[in-house]
Amino acid sequence: DTAVSQTPKYLVTQMGNDKSIKCEQNLGHDTMYWYKQDSKKFLKIMFSYNNKELIINETVPNRFSPKSPDKAHLNLHINSLELGDSAVYFCASSPTGTAEYEQYFGPGTRLTVT
Amino acid sequence: AQSVTQLGSHVSVSEGALVLLRCNYSSSVPPYLFWYVQYPNQGLQLLLKYTTGATLVKGINGFEAEFKKSETSFHLTKPSAHMSDAAEYFCAVSPLNTGGFKTIFGAGTRLFVKA
Repeated sequence: DTAVSQTPKYLVTQMGNDKSIKCEQNLGHDTMYWYKQDSKKFLKIMFSYNNKELIINETVPNRFSPKSPDKAHLNLHINSLELGDSAVYFCASSPTGTAEYEQYFGPGTRLTVT
Repeated sequence: AQSVTQLGSHVSVSEGALVLLRCNYSSSVPPYLFWYVQYPNQGLQLLLKYTTGATLVKGINGFEAEFKKSETSFHLTKPSAHMSDAAEYFCAVSPLNTGGFKTIFGAGTRLFVKA
């Protein structure tokens, strides 16, 4: 069983479109995250959720809207896609919002905006 | 603000040689420290972490790291590189005062292993 899964793995779309990425974890973790990895491999936190509640929003444009229907799912919806949104988006989870716990990452979704 | 610096965006070693990847953090209070590895087209996975206790931490695949508070460093080493170690390596810190909700990653170091 895949611990943290994301769909789709690849997403190619045009500027101005709206798209969603889904994430599910079967580890029973309380905390989930979205990260953006740019072409230089730099990894930046976008959002943290704990028990379906938004904890961290790292100055992400409001075109990005995360939604957590339950503790096992954290989806990312992006409106009015721009060229600069092209990146790999990673979902991750950890047992709880405690700093000593490592994060478990999904395989990533490569978004290409043309 | 907390930051993580990884010295060298690229490191190249020969197979069988020592691997040394450097990581320094900035914090007046030592955070929790992590090393993650990312193989091509995959997500990150944990290599090892330091929380408390022994400052020399052993991880998977023969890697280890030593926490040195006086130097604010957490360098990653492996005595003998293998071709399968070629990957991107990320040092990360989790400040104690963020409850684990905000992990800060370094820029990454790409390890090349030559035959």
